[in-house]
Amino acid sequence: DAGITQSPRHKVTETGTPVTLRCHQTENHRYMYWYRQDPGHGLRLIHYSYGVKDTDKGEVSDGYSVSRSKTEDFLLTLESATSSQTSVYFCAISDTGELFFGEGSRLTVL
Amino acid sequence: GESVGLHLPTLSVQEGDNSIINCAYSNSASDYFIWYKQESGKGPQFIIDIRSNMDKRQGQRVTVLLNKTVKHLSLQIAATQPGDSAVYFCAEKTGSNYQLIWGAGTKLIIKP
Repeated sequence: DAGITQSPRHKVTETGTPVTLRCHQTENHRYMYWYRQDPGHGLRLIHYSYGVKDTDKGEVSDGYSVSRSKTEDFLLTLESATSSQTSVYFCAISDTGELFFGEGSRLTVL
Repeated sequence: GESVGLHLPTLSVQEGDNSIINCAYSNSASDYFIWYKQESGKGPQFIIDIRSNMDKRQGQRVTVLLNKTVKHLSLQIAATQPGDSAVYFCAEKTGSNYQLIWGAGTKLIIKP
């Protein structure tokens, strides 16, 4: 398995609180991605990174920010969590096109 | 916008039979297609990919067929096994854009 670790794996929080999810890779891949997965929607791209400090928005970026200060870490932050952000979040990495996914982080916003 | 879709949300197949999972795509400029398998509680895993200059590609027990004329992609799984139970996603990519466009997924159920 590709060396991708997501943390936390499960989190329950309240509306309005900040939340940060972390993705750590040991593969030295250039590209990193954050997706959310919801029933009926498949995987939707939130943000992605194509290098250290180089990030761009995906199709559902509103309410999310990201940072990548070093190659191995890609952080996803919800500044003020809302119930609509209850989802399973997946980090992915790639170099040549094929994506390798982490195990997912289940976030519940009450 | 452009999207990748699937014909059937659920597919039930007898163990040992062949499975065919279909996918329609709408962006004729897409040049790279991937199939992923997602087991319950896990992240998607790469199965097989195909570029637009090919019509067919085979892997271990899996074959992907690409029909650019009708913008259709299919995944064939030979001799389906219980371990094949999962949700299968197709995804497409265009040129140097590293973003994938994902379909909603097809759940494959194996009947004993």
